Amino acid sequence: KAGVTQTPRYLIKTRGQQVTLSCSPISGHRSVSWYQQTPGQGLQFLFEYFSETQRNKGNFPGRFSGRQFSNSRSEMNVSTLELGDSALYLCASSLAGREDNEQFFGPGTRLTVL
Amino acid sequence: AQSVTQLDSQVPVFEEAPVELRCNYSSSVSVYLFWYVQYPNQGLQLLLKYLSGSTLVESINGFEAEFNKSQTSFHLRKPSVHISDTAEYFCAVRRAGGTSYGKLTFGQGTILTVHP
Repeated sequence: KAGVTQTPRYLIKTRGQQVTLSCSPISGHRSVSWYQQTPGQGLQFLFEYFSETQRNKGNFPGRFSGRQFSNSRSEMNVSTLELGDSALYLCASSLAGREDNEQFFGPGTRLTVL
Repeated sequence: AQSVTQLDSQVPVFEEAPVELRCNYSSSVSVYLFWYVQYPNQGLQLLLKYLSGSTLVESINGFEAEFNKSQTSFHLRKPSVHISDTAEYFCAVRRAGGTSYGKLTFGQGTILTVHP
């Protein structure tokens, strides 16, 4: 079974631009979560989608948004990029519906904002 | 809200020596506990988890962790490390119950470096 895939793997943008990152979960998984990883703040939860609905949200500004499609694929968008948005963005999927469902992580998209 | 503190940012050890990576958490509600490992330029891999039952949990590659509710700790141990264990290790918690299935709260990570 294929793992979680994220595209693109690397991205360079300039301040003020917007960016869209994509995540394809493991087949059959209905929950997708996004995390931001930076050296200073560590791993921080962005949001979680389940059945095309945002189920949980972290403490990030409204510039960060996401969505999930009917095939469970998810995208996250960051508008008006700032230098501090440079990070590794990780996506994780799980079956959902049970508390003991494990989250499986993708390799991440490394975003650099210049 | 939950929080996780990993007490050591870096732990250097020699090959075949024992190691302990410390993790303490804070939560007003019951939580599930996890250890993840991250190798360079890769995502996170689940190492082991505590949901309920026996407080000692083990992974397939020799790591173990013990849930201590009174000390709110979930320290990770291995009796004999290998060079290949060099990686960054993250302790995480997730609220038990409710709908927080996909929301993990992570510690800051511990970089384990195994020297020959």
